Amino acid sequence: EAGVAQSPRYKIIEKRQSVAFWCNPISGHATLYWYQQILGQGPKLLIQFQNNGVVDDSQLPKDRFSAERLKGVDSTLKIQPAKLEDSAVYLCASQLQYSGANVLTFGAGSRLTVL
Amino acid sequence: DAKTTQPPSMDCAEGRAANLPCNHSTISGNEYVYWYRQIHSQGPQYIIHGLKNNETNEMASLIITEDRKSSTLILPHATLRDTAVYYCTDIFGNEKLTFGTGTRLTIIP
Repeated sequence: EAGVAQSPRYKIIEKRQSVAFWCNPISGHATLYWYQQILGQGPKLLIQFQNNGVVDDSQLPKDRFSAERLKGVDSTLKIQPAKLEDSAVYLCASQLQYSGANVLTFGAGSRLTVL
Repeated sequence: DAKTTQPPSMDCAEGRAANLPCNHSTISGNEYVYWYRQIHSQGPQYIIHGLKNNETNEMASLIITEDRKSSTLILPHATLRDTAVYYCTDIFGNEKLTFGTGTRLTIIP
């Protein structure tokens, strides 16, 4: 089966600019996650969607980050305005409806550099 | 804060078994042990999970101690492609998957 697709793979912007990342999960996967991974650290959950509804966005910095999952398929994560500390890899992951195991499939990530 | 403790780095000779330890000091009775790994420039990849019994799949074996306070991931015949950061965690049901800083495993030719 096709994996989780993310784009762009790399993005360089200046601080205070905006950026958007796109994720296409595995077909049929109802649950979608966005994680942020700062260099040298493990991934940190930002937001979880179940179909097109938000399940958990408690770790999302809502003053500058936003995410949506229209029609319960693709998702977009936006940062506006970006700060230097937003430099990180943004990982998207998807999961079938929970079936007894927390097996997530991750995309390759989008690497953001804020100058 | 991470729920588990892992050594920051380990080396293993190619072809030998790699044994990666993890301490689960706060694990409760219904929490499963999960292992993921992250190869350079890729997203994390699921390896294996278990509750009490030892588990084995095509990728690895998982040994969980009787008190469940520690687990060991075993890669029986390590190859250069196994060089990665390995993460262990323990979660209940559909609780959110969280990651610590993991163990950076380097396979030496």
